[in-house]
Amino acid sequence: AQSVTQLDSHVSVSEGTPVLLRCNYSSSYSPSLFWYVQHPNKGLQLLLKYTSAATLVKGINGFEAEFKKSETSFHLTKPSAHMSDAAEYFCVVSLSSGNTPLVFGKGTRLSVIA
Amino acid sequence: GAVVSQHPSRVICKSGTSVKIECRSLDFQATTMFWYRQFPKQSLMLMATSNEGSKATYEQGVEKDKFLINHASLTLSTLTVTSAHPEDSSFYICSARRQSNTGELFFGEGSRLTVL
Repeated sequence: AQSVTQLDSHVSVSEGTPVLLRCNYSSSYSPSLFWYVQHPNKGLQLLLKYTSAATLVKGINGFEAEFKKSETSFHLTKPSAHMSDAAEYFCVVSLSSGNTPLVFGKGTRLSVIA
Repeated sequence: GAVVSQHPSRVICKSGTSVKIECRSLDFQATTMFWYRQFPKQSLMLMATSNEGSKATYEQGVEKDKFLINHASLTLSTLTVTSAHPEDSSFYICSARRQSNTGELFFGEGSRLTVL
């Protein structure tokens, strides 16, 4: 079975400061891991994904995440927050293919203060 | 990137009526589509897995007679909320997986259903 734990339900940062959104996962197999972002009343947009290639994954909008198997973590970071980064972020785990649906974390709401 | 279109984006209906939500993969074929429900300020809850040409697989606790799912073609899946009630008001999101892709799902923009 797979599961995802997002350790913070809400993170607030000042504009221009670093962002860290934490995610731990549990999976019986080698997982694929994703971070999605959701703006209010919108669908989800893929930020980045890990699929057993490089452990440091670079995504869109300056975000990146590092897969650490020993810590079962996949934390999302960004060096400098922008006001437009304010949104809900979901860490997601999946087996890599087939009909397996994604398993979502509960989400972390990121607030960016001017 | 791949595009998934969901329609309507917003719908308001009276209690007791049925509402159909469409999910289309615009530039790829999707043998599998997923329907999620999202309550305010909560994560996405998987409702069902829709496979082209066969019956949908529903998650535990989701009423299949209440939420009818049809996946008649490789680019279209529909969710019909039958005899809707106010407690069915929610944000419904579909997603589709492209066969050749390594697990990434492409999401529709979501449909907000309000039942009066």
